[in-house]
Amino acid sequence: GDSVTQMEGPVTLSEEAFLTINCTYTATGYPSLFWYVQYPGEGLQLLLKATKADDKGSNKGFEATYRKETTSFHLEKGSVQVSDSAVYFCALGTLKAAGNKLTFGGGTRVLVKP
Amino acid sequence: DSGVTQTPKHLITATGQRVTLRCSPRSGDLSVYWYQQSLDQGLQFLIQYYNGEERAKGNILERFSAQQFPDLHSELNLSSLELGDSALYFCASSVAAQGNVLTFGAGSRLTVL
Repeated sequence: GDSVTQMEGPVTLSEEAFLTINCTYTATGYPSLFWYVQYPGEGLQLLLKATKADDKGSNKGFEATYRKETTSFHLEKGSVQVSDSAVYFCALGTLKAAGNKLTFGGGTRVLVKP
Repeated sequence: DSGVTQTPKHLITATGQRVTLRCSPRSGDLSVYWYQQSLDQGLQFLIQYYNGEERAKGNILERFSAQQFPDLHSELNLSSLELGDSALYFCASSVAAQGNVLTFGAGSRLTVL
């Protein structure tokens, strides 16, 4: 079945450091890939997405490229801020006749210190 | 505010009891999803409804049931509660049944004592 594996946290960084969170997936068919972010006490928010191979999703300084050959969708940000402290979830969605299920990775907690 | 409203925000109950969680989707969204987030299982998909009909089923226990009403709000019923049912329950909505981005609510935190 479909699955998503992402690096375990917590990841602790200093402000302005470079952030990478690795995500790999297993899926049948041609999934869409997503990064969601969960700030403390809140629900998940879509951060970025990519719907086909070699697409790059970007938002708020975050980027991720859909790599079909390595089945990966790593999240990167060049200079993190304290406000980026959150839990980040990689997810995939496949079009199935039955519905629109998203499969999530385990989440990676990121803590940015001033 | 995502536009997806979940009530209650927090709920504390005892083992063996039954609770109902409510979700109002974002205006214009026809599809509702329920997810369970627990420390040991992560985010697990429970069930999806589209315009009142069940569309996809995930790891939903037989003690749990859900429905979507004509006004498109949804309820998740959890019965014969066990300690292990303590979790955050998220509702999400989307416009269509397939291929769309999900908008999540803030969640309902259930604690079973």
